[in-house]
Amino acid sequence: QKEVEQDPGPLSVPEGAIVSLNCTYSNSAFQYFMWYRQYSRKGPELLMYTYSSGNKEDGRFTAQVDKSSKYISLFIRDSQPSDSATYLCAMNDYGQNFVFGPGTRLSVLP
Amino acid sequence: GAGVSQSPSNKVTEKGKDVELRCDPISGHTALYWYRQSLGQGLEFLIYFQGNSAPDKSGLPSDRFSAERTGGSVSTLTIQRTQQEDSAVYLCASSLALATGYEQYFGPGTRLTVT
Repeated sequence: QKEVEQDPGPLSVPEGAIVSLNCTYSNSAFQYFMWYRQYSRKGPELLMYTYSSGNKEDGRFTAQVDKSSKYISLFIRDSQPSDSATYLCAMNDYGQNFVFGPGTRLSVLP
Repeated sequence: GAGVSQSPSNKVTEKGKDVELRCDPISGHTALYWYRQSLGQGLEFLIYFQGNSAPDKSGLPSDRFSAERTGGSVSTLTIQRTQQEDSAVYLCASSLALATGYEQYFGPGTRLTVT
């Protein structure tokens, strides 16, 4: 089992849709949970991070962490074509073990 | 302010040659990280620096890989005797401190192609 798994696979949605991106993980030591957005041929850009379980909202983006299920989600409301990118979940413990998911490629169609 | 910069942006090299990849972190950031991203894959963590020190080098793929950081700023990732499987995008990131490693800022990456 991979340490971090991310689903769904490539995703295409119409503009204005609500998007749900998810990751599961196996290491219960993870405490910080991050979401990055990566445009083609660019470096990842931090969207938001969450500590431990709970929700965090930033504009159209909401991150949820359920440590009991080892499951994290990123919701994008009113999706825009400019949201088209690859989304990477990442997590780490209190140390220097940083683990990224493989990413989900999102296309928002006008 | 200036973000993380990396050079070169693209590098094509022949198998067996050595390459050096450079990272300039955000000014004042004491922690620096190197990752590798292969086509369609997630980021593979390679090594981190706190100041000029890299306490754990176990993430480096082989002994052909080495990294150093000088003056608490610029870092260089060196790959000796490159192999085709080294072809990937090498990404550098920095954070204010190791304790704030959840807030990393990435550079644009160096795309390495080994022919």
